[in-house]
Amino acid sequence: EPEVTQTPSHQVTQMGQEVILRCVPISNHLYFYWYRQILGQKVEFLVSFYNNEISEKSEIFDDQFSVERPDGSNFTLKIRSTKLEDSAMYFCASRVGRTVLDEQYFGPGTRLTVT
Amino acid sequence: LAKTTQPISMDSYEGQEVNITCSHNNIATNDYITWYQQFPSQGPRFIIQGYKTKVTNEVASLFIPADRKSSTLSLPRVSLSDTAVYYCLVGDKAAGNKLTFGGGTRVLVKP
Repeated sequence: EPEVTQTPSHQVTQMGQEVILRCVPISNHLYFYWYRQILGQKVEFLVSFYNNEISEKSEIFDDQFSVERPDGSNFTLKIRSTKLEDSAMYFCASRVGRTVLDEQYFGPGTRLTVT
Repeated sequence: LAKTTQPISMDSYEGQEVNITCSHNNIATNDYITWYQQFPSQGPRFIIQGYKTKVTNEVASLFIPADRKSSTLSLPRVSLSDTAVYYCLVGDKAAGNKLTFGGGTRVLVKP
């Protein structure tokens, strides 16, 4: 079964550093998402991406965050200057978008630890 | 966006049926009800989706009464591996829509 993959599985970085989290969505999917989950809290939407542009973003997704689909397969989330409170699991998800079934497929996540 | 309310946690035993009820009193006409499952340190996984009456797949059943103000996810004969958090989501099925997760129900299956 096709799956969303994410790398790295765990990233440790120092406060103020830039990080790039990578995702490979399922190949025929058209909609892409990033979510995050702070330890012990609920899954929060960050941003959705369609047709090479952001279609929606949350309040969390401020100027420190950016997304890109550089080569038609990878989908990246960049945090320009990490803060301690950015420590969380970051999940990438993708969706076909051509069917009525509203199923998003999530990757295994990247655990980001900011020290 | 329809607000959902579900129990914080439930305990069960292997082989039992687990029923999780979610209330969504202000569900809109265009809204569908979707359930996701999340194991520790993993991303959420789609379980089932419905609009009204009953939907069944190989994993679960979803019961939705006529007024659609609540729904019940039924997991038949659970095993230890069904220990997870189960989320009820309600929203328009328009393509591209984000998922809005609540706190979910933490189900613990005991031997």
